[in-house]
Amino acid sequence: AQSVTQLGSHVSVSEGALVLLRCNYSSSVPPYLFWYVQYPNQGLQLLLKYTSAATLVKGINGFEAEFKKSETSFHLTKPSAHMSDAAEYFCAVTHTGNQFYFGTGTSLTVIP
Amino acid sequence: DSGVTQTPKHLITATGQRVTLRCSPRSGDLSVYWYQQSLDQGLQFLIQYYNGEERAKGNILERFSAQQFPDLHSELNLSSLELGDSALYFCASSVGLADEYEQYFGPGTRLTVT
Repeated sequence: AQSVTQLGSHVSVSEGALVLLRCNYSSSVPPYLFWYVQYPNQGLQLLLKYTSAATLVKGINGFEAEFKKSETSFHLTKPSAHMSDAAEYFCAVTHTGNQFYFGTGTSLTVIP
Repeated sequence: DSGVTQTPKHLITATGQRVTLRCSPRSGDLSVYWYQQSLDQGLQFLIQYYNGEERAKGNILERFSAQQFPDLHSELNLSSLELGDSALYFCASSVGLADEYEQYFGPGTRLTVT
């Protein structure tokens, strides 16, 4: 069975600082990986996805993530945090496209 | 706006009752997924339909059922409701099964069971 682990349920960064949200997956075969963002009282919005093409994936709003097979990781980064980045972030994995597994989420707070 | 619509936005009902949540996928999407999001369980996959047929089941209780109709909209039926069923229920859709599995989420239905 696949699973996703997001280390750190809450992350706080200062405005302008680096954002690093961690995601590790467990799968014997590299899966498809996704990062979603959820703003308060809204549904999830896709930030970026890894589908076995380039290991460094660029997404919307300046976010990017790097797939590291040796570390089974897919950490999300952004060089400079904005106040508008404050939200809940979810990492998700699927191998079949039928069933998706989501991490427990990381709440990002941006301090002015 | 993802293009996925869900109704109603909010639903308040009593224990033991039955409710139906509705989802309309994006135009052209054949797959519909249902998720439950609660504070203690996080985001849990419930069930997936593709072009009217059930394709995958996750952590869906026997009291819950779903279907996808010929016009591709889907309904999630929740019966014999318990307090613990209070949660946000999301629907998501994707083009199909052989694509890159990108899902588009609706705004959710917030269910409160009293």
